Amino acid sequence: GESVGLHLPTLSVQEGDNSIINCAYSNSASDYFIWYKQESGKGPQFIIDIRSNMDKRQGQRVTVLLNKTVKHLSLQIAATQPGDSAVYFCAEKEGNFNKFYFGSGTKLNVKP
Amino acid sequence: KAGVTQTPRYLIKTRGQQVTLSCSPISGHRSVSWYQQTPGQGLQFLFEYFSETQRNKGNFPGRFSGRQFSNSRSEMNVSTLELGDSALYLCASSLAIKGDAYEQYFGPGTRLTVT
Repeated sequence: GESVGLHLPTLSVQEGDNSIINCAYSNSASDYFIWYKQESGKGPQFIIDIRSNMDKRQGQRVTVLLNKTVKHLSLQIAATQPGDSAVYFCAEKEGNFNKFYFGSGTKLNVKP
Repeated sequence: KAGVTQTPRYLIKTRGQQVTLSCSPISGHRSVSWYQQTPGQGLQFLFEYFSETQRNKGNFPGRFSGRQFSNSRSEMNVSTLELGDSALYLCASSLAIKGDAYEQYFGPGTRLTVT
């Protein structure tokens, strides 16, 4: 079933290429960020997180970059696979505890 | 370790009715948050519970309420349902304590349709 907005920006990449998904966040005081992947009909799946005292964090095939100067996050996926096709959201923590503001999402389409 | 579970997965209700959704967090997680996801508004924060107390609340009307039990399981309730309440309701759990932030994991959601 549908899970995201009707007019999502879409990134189309060839299988095996690297993907870069960008996100602008709103609050310069946000100190924690998460990238999620959401496949159709499923809940968002945690991919990777980063705290504001870091500029870069790497996981398996994924890297998150944080540029606090321009309030920008990016998610890099190496050697993109068809299974990476999904909608990707960045989420920024607002204030204390676990209140997150989610971006509108980017649809990644991987062409075999 | 089992993930976040939500029940029921699908619901169809009529305008004016009320509904209760349930969420069981990952074992050991004490924070439970609820989100509403719609095509038009995306993912929006409803509220967060920790140790049976609401710690955060989003900008939703009072018809939306929740609670958390001593075993960290949580329920949310929507009264006097409106057509615009049709959405995917997602629950997320986290280890987070005090003001620290930890990884937050989502359940599969409950798809609510109001007719």
